[in-house]
Amino acid sequence: GNSVTQMEGPVTLSEEAFLTINCTYTATGYPSLFWYVQYPGEGLQLLLKATKADDKGSNKGFEATYRKETTSFHLEKGSVQVSDSAVYFCALSQTGANNLFFGTGTRLTVIP
Amino acid sequence: DTGVSQNPRHKITKRGQNVTFRCDPISEHNRLYWYRQTLGQGPEFLTYFQNEAQLEKSRLLSDRFSAERPKGSFSTLEIQRTEQGDSAMYLCASTSGLQAEQFFGPGTRLTVL
Repeated sequence: GNSVTQMEGPVTLSEEAFLTINCTYTATGYPSLFWYVQYPGEGLQLLLKATKADDKGSNKGFEATYRKETTSFHLEKGSVQVSDSAVYFCALSQTGANNLFFGTGTRLTVIP
Repeated sequence: DTGVSQNPRHKITKRGQNVTFRCDPISEHNRLYWYRQTLGQGPEFLTYFQNEAQLEKSRLLSDRFSAERPKGSFSTLEIQRTEQGDSAMYLCASTSGLQAEQFFGPGTRLTVL
C-alpha cells in the first residue's frame, strides 16, 4: 500500500537556523512526491513537488530531492524566517491515481 | 477571490443530526476531491469527481456519507446521523488534470456534540 512517514514535531527553531524535516514513503511503482504547507488560518498550499527519481523540487528557499534508493523526500531550508512558521505535510500520488496520500504533518515554529 | 471556497467554515451539531457542506471549486477545474483531516493527522482521501461523475470512493466513506456534484461545478458532502467520530476538518480540493496541482479550500470544521 501507499504510506508517508514524517518526522514528528513540533519543531522549534531560531530565525536563520537550518531546517530539515524528514519524510519517507512506501509505494509501488514511481509515485510523485509533494510538500504542502498550511499557514495559520489558511488552506493547504503546494510548496514543491518532484515527479521522478533524483528530481529536486524547490520554492521559496525550500528544497527536497526525490531519493528512490532511500524512499525519501526530505524538506530543507538553509535559513528559516518567522514567516515560515506553519504545518508542513509530505504527500505522494501514484501515477494514474486520483488522490494524495499525506503524512501526519510537522508543525514548525520559528522564533525571532 | 478565485480559489476554492467551502461553506460553512464551522459547523456544530448534535449527534444524530444530518449536516451538509458545500464546496465551490476553481471554475475551470473539472476534478474535485473531498478529504477528511482529524486532529494531529494528515488529510485522508474520501472521494473524487470528474465533472459530475463520482469515480472513486474511499473505504472511509461509510453509507452515512454521500457526495454529489450535480452539474459538474459545486459539490456537496452530506453526513447523515452524525456521530462524535465524524468530528474533523473536511477539505475540498480541485484540479484541472490528473497530475496537476490540487488546490485546497480552507475546510469546514465539524464538531459533533
